[in-house]
Amino acid sequence: GAVVSQHPSWVICKSGTSVKIECRSLDFQATTMFWYRQFPKQSLMLMATSNEGSKATYEQGVEKDKFLINHASLTLSTLTVTSAHPEDSSFYICSARVEGPNSPLHFGNGTRLTVT
Amino acid sequence: RKEVEQDPGPFNVPEGATVAFNCTYSNSASQSFFWYRQDCRKEPKLLMSVYSSGNEDGRFTAQLNRASQYISLLIRDSKLSDSATYLCVIPFSGGYNKLIFGAGTRLAVHP
Repeated sequence: GAVVSQHPSWVICKSGTSVKIECRSLDFQATTMFWYRQFPKQSLMLMATSNEGSKATYEQGVEKDKFLINHASLTLSTLTVTSAHPEDSSFYICSARVEGPNSPLHFGNGTRLTVT
Repeated sequence: RKEVEQDPGPFNVPEGATVAFNCTYSNSASQSFFWYRQDCRKEPKLLMSVYSSGNEDGRFTAQLNRASQYISLLIRDSKLSDSATYLCVIPFSGGYNKLIFGAGTRLAVHP
């Protein structure tokens, strides 16, 4: 089945620093990848849609200058949390779909970010 | 009406019980539906796609009711390992190849 790899699995950083999270599709090409965030005991919230070779599409309320997305190849998307603050501490998960109608999302294993 | 709604639960059931969850959706044009399972502090994992004719995978049965716009998940002979949050997923009505997640239904199976 389709595999999505996400790295790192967890990271602890100090306030004001930036953190980069990588998302790779290992056995398929993904022109579109999705970045979600999940706070404790809450549902997954879509942050942005990452489009290969073009700008990402951000959901309402998500600051594009704070959450930088780069999708430079068909198998790699990165999310950089810039100038991180404690309120950015969350579980970040990327996902991708194999091209074709009615295909499900395949998720990376997520990155748990803690900002101190 | 919300894009997708689920009863948050929790559903507390004994081992061996049969339990069913429903998920309502607002986009009548939706063609693809999915059930995911999420364990605590883990990423969601695909449990089943939901086909219009209904489909079964072992102890799990998924059904679609287009007229009433809901999908259901039935779990028979519940196991302790079935304890998790079950998320229904439907396409975003605005297109863009996005999928929308329900808030999830928590299931706790006890001995």
